[in-house]
Amino acid sequence: QSALTQPRSVSGSPGQSVTISCTGTSSDVGHYNYVSWYQQHPGKAPKLMIYEVTKRPSGVPDRFSGSKSGTTASLTISGLRAEDEADYYCCSYAGRHTVFGGGTTLTVL
Amino acid sequence: EVHLGESGGGLVQPGGSLRLSCVASGFTFSAHWMTWVRQAPGKGPEWVGNIKEDGSAKYYVDSVKGRFTISRDNAKNSLYLQMTDLRAEDTAVYYCARDLPGYGAYGVWGQGTLVTVSS
Repeated sequence: QSALTQPRSVSGSPGQSVTISCTGTSSDVGHYNYVSWYQQHPGKAPKLMIYEVTKRPSGVPDRFSGSKSGTTASLTISGLRAEDEADYYCCSYAGRHTVFGGGTTLTVL
Repeated sequence: EVHLGESGGGLVQPGGSLRLSCVASGFTFSAHWMTWVRQAPGKGPEWVGNIKEDGSAKYYVDSVKGRFTISRDNAKNSLYLQMTDLRAEDTAVYYCARDLPGYGAYGVWGQGTLVTVSS
């Protein structure tokens, strides 16, 4: 039940695109198409942005997209906006339990 | 409006016990798996465990097995987390969350309740 690996931080300018990676193992990310991504602003609860690798909940802008290759999942945010500055966490089903990543802080320059 | 509200957090001494509650509203509580997630200060979230719609199946992260128990009362739209033998490393904000159909995605979260384990 080890945490998924994410870069500590990424940054980009308004209008640019950034990609956040999430590396797991053959027991979680590599085995199941049940990867989700969460956005968290300071002092707030996490908010679901992507589920089942590529699906967006209602209300999430299509600037947010997800993908997966092997044991690495990715979240891409295009057309960066100031309000996208937050912590982002990936999450994967791992068979009767779920594991989160350590988190990536996105800074919009 | 769909809403989850946790309560019961506080300061507890190592070895102590605490019971967290989560009250749901705005949706059919009995139709959803429910999950507890915790987040230690400055850390990422950690899945604690979950419970099936009718309470017949429960799963836990290894670090809390034998110490924490998840239960629910569908008549009261309530989810519970009974925590015993608490340790300093259990200090965290505890969130209840509603599972999406499928696995490992949580579409609705409460505001969280802080549990601090310290002497």
